[in-house]
Amino acid sequence: QKEVEQDPGPLSVPEGAIVSLNCTYSNSAFQYFMWYRQYSRKGPELLMYTYSSGNKEDGRFTAQVDKSSKYISLFIRDSQPSDSATYLCAIRYGGATNKLIFGTGTLLAVQP
Amino acid sequence: DAMVIQNPRYQVTQFGKPVTLSCSQTLNHNVMYWYQQKSSQAPKLLFHYYDKDFNNEADTPDNFQSRRPNTSFCFLDIRSPGLGDAAMYLCATSSLSQPQHFGDGTRLSIL
Repeated sequence: QKEVEQDPGPLSVPEGAIVSLNCTYSNSAFQYFMWYRQYSRKGPELLMYTYSSGNKEDGRFTAQVDKSSKYISLFIRDSQPSDSATYLCAIRYGGATNKLIFGTGTLLAVQP
Repeated sequence: DAMVIQNPRYQVTQFGKPVTLSCSQTLNHNVMYWYQQKSSQAPKLLFHYYDKDFNNEADTPDNFQSRRPNTSFCFLDIRSPGLGDAAMYLCATSSLSQPQHFGDGTRLSIL
């Protein structure tokens, strides 16, 4: 079993839709969870950074962590064509070195 | 803006010809990382520097090496590139309690 599992998609939605992206993980000791957005031919860009369980909201984006289920989610409200990208979940481990385990990424296409 | 800069953005080299990719940062972060990312795959950590201390991942091929002459710069050396080394190479930085920040990568092609 991989430490982080993510559905690779692709996921295609119409503009304005609510998008739900999800990852599961195996190690209950993980505490720090991130979502990165990666446009084609660009590096990953940090979107959301959460600690432990709960929700965190930033504009149209909401990150949710359910540690009891080992499940993390990213919701995008009122999706826009500019949201079309690959979304990578990542989990921090390794203490001070801040190393990350990535999911495989979900390719999202928002159709105008 | 503080950032992570990778040069060049695109690099073409010949099979077996050594190549060096560079990364610089203005964030003054003490940790720097090199990742390899192949198409439709997650970034794969090759190694990282914690300050001047080099840390290699167990499955990183010997063909890949790195240098960090100072806090701001880090280099990835591929001694004898093979066709399987064609990929995007990403540099990232972080410091204690800060998430990793990535550069835009160097796309390496092998002829």
